[in-house]
Amino acid sequence: DQQVKQNSPSLSVQEGRISILNCDYTNSMFDYFLWYKKYPAEGPTFLISISSIKDKNEDGRFTVFLNKSAKHLSLHIVPSQPGDSAVYFCAASAVGGNNDMRFGAGTRLTVKP
Amino acid sequence: DAGVIQSPRHEVTEMGQEVTLRCKPISGHNSLFWYRQTMMRGLELLIYFNNNVPIDDSGMPEDRFSAKMPNASFSTLKIQPSEPRDSAVYFCASSTPNTGELFFGEGSRLTVL
Repeated sequence: DQQVKQNSPSLSVQEGRISILNCDYTNSMFDYFLWYKKYPAEGPTFLISISSIKDKNEDGRFTVFLNKSAKHLSLHIVPSQPGDSAVYFCAASAVGGNNDMRFGAGTRLTVKP
Repeated sequence: DAGVIQSPRHEVTEMGQEVTLRCKPISGHNSLFWYRQTMMRGLELLIYFNNNVPIDDSGMPEDRFSAKMPNASFSTLKIQPSEPRDSAVYFCASSTPNTGELFFGEGSRLTVL
């Protein structure tokens, strides 16, 4: 069962433009959401997170938006840079639960110079 | 401090052989996770441990898969007998309950011929 879904396997944007990566979840118990970034031959690394008490969290060029009613979150990267080219995974967990974290299938972002 | 350490980084074996993947979590982290990355399903949670105790192994594909955590600094994921469809990258991750963030190893790429 895919509790976290990333329906776009890939996204290509021009350098300097905005990248928007989307994620949907089905489990209403999830209350903590994260984005991870993965380069080839490396493990995923934490990028940004948001708890369910917020609807927006910003860190430099990266902003995560959460729409709890729609069970949807998105990651905005502005401006996009070639070094942002990677696979981005959306993840969710229930902090008060058993601490397991579920990931989406990932979206491969390519930022073209 | 060293990150999560996984071995081997690459494993090529023949169908029917036993495969053992190893993981050393970050010192002080009391949760450990095994994930499998495939093109179709992204990062799948196989099993996770809290304080060395397996909490949820519902993601383990079949009885051919088993995982152990004999102490706080070591875990193994074993596949016996291995099959070509087990070919994937297997990630180990660790965390503490308070951060909600997982720290991943670099992964073990398994190829079963």
